Amino acid sequence: KNEVEQSPQNLTAQEGEFITINCSYSVGISALHWLQQHPGGGIVSLFMLSSGKKKHGRLIATINIQEKHSSLHITASHPRDSAVYICAVPYYGGSQGNLIFGKGTKLSVKP
Amino acid sequence: EAEVAQSPRYKITEKSQAVAFWCDPISGHATLYWYRQILGQGPELLVQFQDESVVDDSQLPKDRFSAERLKGVDSTLKIQPAELGDSAMYLCASSSRLFWGTGELFFGEGSRLTVL
Repeated sequence: KNEVEQSPQNLTAQEGEFITINCSYSVGISALHWLQQHPGGGIVSLFMLSSGKKKHGRLIATINIQEKHSSLHITASHPRDSAVYICAVPYYGGSQGNLIFGKGTKLSVKP
Repeated sequence: EAEVAQSPRYKITEKSQAVAFWCDPISGHATLYWYRQILGQGPELLVQFQDESVVDDSQLPKDRFSAERLKGVDSTLKIQPAELGDSAMYLCASSSRLFWGTGELFFGEGSRLTVL
């Protein structure tokens, strides 16, 4: 059973389009993470949010704790945004927190 | 800018051989994670260290995998013998403090393993 579900799995967009990636989770959380993974494999943390909305450049992340849903938006998309976007939530199993990751959304932005 | 260093970036090996991956976290980071990411999947935790101590290795296949962080700084993940199903990206991440899910994790570039 997946505790973190992302949609869509794959997304192709034209340069300039507005993009939305969705994440739903089934566990209670203190914060949600959005991560970006480039084709080479390295992962970069984009946002950590526990309520409301955060904005960084052309990226906007929102979260609705009651509905257990978060969205990542990209405005004026560009080919360099092509990457896998991963949603992750903390899991408090064992002695410490850890992250449960979604399977990722593969975004391809065409020029 | 400080970063998490991993090596090798790519490793091709034959089934039943031994492989080892190395990770050097950001200086001063006490918490270190090893994750395995199979193609098309999200990362899954293999082992978590707090300084030199293993905090969580419940998902580490201990019959063939081992991990150590002897001086609480850099870490080594070993697989012996490697199996075809071990082909994956092995990611190392670190955090400056006890990670309860609300801090920031810093990831390395990963080590991609192919087992033939």
